[in-house]
Amino acid sequence: GNSVTQMEGPVTLSEEAFLTINCTYTATGYPSLFWYVQYPGEGLQLLLKATKADDKGSNKGFEATYRKETTSFHLEKGSVQVSDSAVYFCALLRNSGNTPLVFGKGTRLSVIA
Amino acid sequence: DAGVIQSPRHEVTEMGQEVTLRCKPISGHNSLFWYRQTMMRGLELLIYFNNNVPIDDSGMPEDRFSAKMPNASFSTLKIQPSEPRDSAVYFCASSPGSSWETQYFGPGTRLLVL
Repeated sequence: GNSVTQMEGPVTLSEEAFLTINCTYTATGYPSLFWYVQYPGEGLQLLLKATKADDKGSNKGFEATYRKETTSFHLEKGSVQVSDSAVYFCALLRNSGNTPLVFGKGTRLSVIA
Repeated sequence: DAGVIQSPRHEVTEMGQEVTLRCKPISGHNSLFWYRQTMMRGLELLIYFNNNVPIDDSGMPEDRFSAKMPNASFSTLKIQPSEPRDSAVYFCASSPGSSWETQYFGPGTRLLVL
């Protein structure tokens, strides 16, 4: 079946530190991959996506590259800010059939000044 | 655009009581999704509608849960009777067309069943 595995949090970083949140997936075929972000007290928002192998999604300084050979989609940011404190969810969507988004369990990031 | 609107934002009830959660999707969106979020299980899809018709309710945990979408601008998720294990944050999301990827989430309803 389809599944997403994220590194467990919480992750605590100082401002301007480098961020990596690992995500690996299991899926048949070639899914689209996503990162969603959930700020405190809010619903999830799409942060970035990649629809095929070697694609790089980017937004707000965050990047993730679709690596088919390692079935990974790790989220990175070169210099985090306090405002990046949130829960980050990796997700996949099969490109065929009527299937839902499959979410990872989320990784909580806390950035301290 | 007001975004997806959910009410109430917080609900505290006693075991055995009926709970009704409400959602107003973004105007013009054809698909609506109900999710449940817990620490143990993460984010789970409960049911989704397309053009007001339930397409897949396989995620609904049991018969105590029911969802309706009487028109394009309103949906309810009902739990009757509620149990403490139903305590969670319930999210509603909507998307244009039948798109899965561009889902806009509401702020959620935090439910506590005592």
